[in-house]
Amino acid sequence: ETGVTQSPTHLIKTRGQQVTLRCSSQSGHNTVSWYQQALGQGPQFIFQYYREEENGRGNFPPRFSGLQFPNYSSELNVNALELDDSALYLCASSLGQNSGANVLTFGAGSRLTVL
Amino acid sequence: AQSVTQPDIHITVSEGASLELRCNYSYGATPYLFWYVQSPGQGLQLLLKYFSGDTLVQGIKGFEAEFKRSQSSFNLRKPSVHWSDAAEYFCAVGGPTDSWGKLQFGAGTQVVVTP
Repeated sequence: ETGVTQSPTHLIKTRGQQVTLRCSSQSGHNTVSWYQQALGQGPQFIFQYYREEENGRGNFPPRFSGLQFPNYSSELNVNALELDDSALYLCASSLGQNSGANVLTFGAGSRLTVL
Repeated sequence: AQSVTQPDIHITVSEGASLELRCNYSYGATPYLFWYVQSPGQGLQLLLKYFSGDTLVQGIKGFEAEFKRSQSSFNLRKPSVHWSDAAEYFCAVGGPTDSWGKLQFGAGTQVVVTP
């Protein structure tokens, strides 16, 4: 069983740039959620994708956007990067749109540093 | 609004001693409760979950947690800690009144294991 894989593992950007982070979900999972984890804090929910549509969003501005592809992989895009966007971005996959959707399998994350 | 409080930011425990991590939650309906562990540079791994039924839940790595509705708590315990248990532990809450895949995490408890 293949777990959740994320790329890149680390990246450095400058303020105002744009970034794309990628995620391959665990085999058999059809739902992807993205979380932001700032240093010393717990993860914060950004949004979830199911059947290629955004299906729930946390308190993040529109410059945070995403995609889900037919193979259930996903991208997180952040435009106009700000210093506060520096964080570990975690992708999590799960199955369905019921209680099972909350049983999240996390990837190791993409560490973004904005200078 | 849903929230999770982990009162202990940092706990030091001797190897072989027992461990208890506290978690208090606020949620407007019957919650789904989770404990995750995060080792340095890694994503989050699910230790155990509670959806309904028996309020004492067994998880992986010898961990257990008890749901106490009257106290709005979901404390994590392990009878005998191993050096490999040193990590950060996160309690999380989700449920049917939120987007599927959306969990509210606490700020985490850092566990240090001494010889």
